[in-house]
Amino acid sequence: QKEVEQNSGPLSVPEGAIASLNCTYSDRVSQSFFWYRQYSGKSPELIMSIYSNGDKEDGRFTAQLNKASQYVSLLIRDSQPSDSATYLCAVNLDSNYQLIWGAGTKLIIKP
Amino acid sequence: DADVTQTPRNRITKTGKRIMLECSQTKGHDRMYWYRQDPGLGLRLIYYSFDVKDINKGEISDGYSVSRQAQAKFSLSLESAIPNQTALYFCATSGVAGTTDTQYFGPGTRLTVL
Repeated sequence: QKEVEQNSGPLSVPEGAIASLNCTYSDRVSQSFFWYRQYSGKSPELIMSIYSNGDKEDGRFTAQLNKASQYVSLLIRDSQPSDSATYLCAVNLDSNYQLIWGAGTKLIIKP
Repeated sequence: DADVTQTPRNRITKTGKRIMLECSQTKGHDRMYWYRQDPGLGLRLIYYSFDVKDINKGEISDGYSVSRQAQAKFSLSLESAIPNQTALYFCATSGVAGTTDTQYFGPGTRLTVL
């Protein structure tokens, strides 16, 4: 069974702090990894994709990938109340363009 | 204008009724997907299509059917709706062959089956 696991939360972080979200996956051949943000009742929107081991930074967001340990994480620096949302981790299934989704981590940024 | 559109946005229906949800995209993507989302369960794939002649079942296809009328249109049907099909339904698209597998989502359809 190929799975993607996330802590459901909620993860509560003070405004201005760093929020750290984690995701583990079971399929060693996975090649593409994605973080999406979803506000309540809205559709998921892409934050970042990462394909290689290491860090990838985009503004306040940093994705970290460690294929040997089979985890991918998302760091949000200088957290803002508008970052409060559910964050979904998705991993490709081999190379046939299907994504396997985690159930999401609910993040709450406290003013 | 939105790149991926879904109609209707909200629908309330009764058990046993036939329902069609429609998805259109202007992104020029080949691949289209239908997901349902239930609280605490994340996104589950119902059907996906890589082109007009290629349609595949996903994780939870029972009780659903699809039609890919054109590259830009992908419809989901519930032949006889039942209450446990109450959920938020999303259509998604991804790029042309050989390119990124990033998926882009429509705004969703909230379906309630009474």
